[in-house]
Amino acid sequence: GQQVMQIPQYQHVQEGEDFTTYCNSSTTLSNIQWYKQRPGGHPVFLIQLVKSGEVKKQKRLTFQFGEAKKNSSLHITATQTTDVGTYFCAVYNFNKFYFGSGTKLNVKP
Amino acid sequence: DGGITQSPKYLFRKEGQNVTLSCEQNLNHDAMYWYRQDPGQGLRLIYYSQIVNDFQKGDIAEGYSVSREKKESFPLTVTSAQKNPTAFYLCASSNSPGANQPQHFGDGTRLSIL
Repeated sequence: GQQVMQIPQYQHVQEGEDFTTYCNSSTTLSNIQWYKQRPGGHPVFLIQLVKSGEVKKQKRLTFQFGEAKKNSSLHITATQTTDVGTYFCAVYNFNKFYFGSGTKLNVKP
Repeated sequence: DGGITQSPKYLFRKEGQNVTLSCEQNLNHDAMYWYRQDPGQGLRLIYYSQIVNDFQKGDIAEGYSVSREKKESFPLTVTSAQKNPTAFYLCASSNSPGANQPQHFGDGTRLSIL
């Protein structure tokens, strides 16, 4: 099936530090979605990127889609304890969604 | 409120037993999905349905079965053939099948073996 690699697996930061997670694919993607799952919760849709080189912002979150549409990143500026959770990317291929393994973010106050 | 309702929240299965997880949505979405999540891992697709009375296998369909007799309902049966059923099961829906549709998830069912 479609492989999308997500790194890092874990990230521990001090509150106020920045955080970035990356998703990489060996094939060109039609789009990429990002989700956040709080501890004990369910994934919640954050955003979708479609265009080559696209950059979208949501407050302290910045999402980028690579020029070749093979990679994407999610960057959080000045993390807060409310950012704790696991962030997943998801790609669509052959009528199915494939999720990355997720990056678990822990923020120390 | 519109949304996806999964029940039960917790479920225990005995050896050799089939159990059914419920998923109901009132979002009028055409597409519905079942995922399995193991601790510290991503989501793996079990089955999906793009329209009523039709469904397709995902990547880990063995030991599971589904039905889609109504648009709003997509129950998942974990059969006795699934030897390692302990996991967090998530149901999702999207407005229509396709890459540009965000998925809306239910709160999940945690299944354990007795």
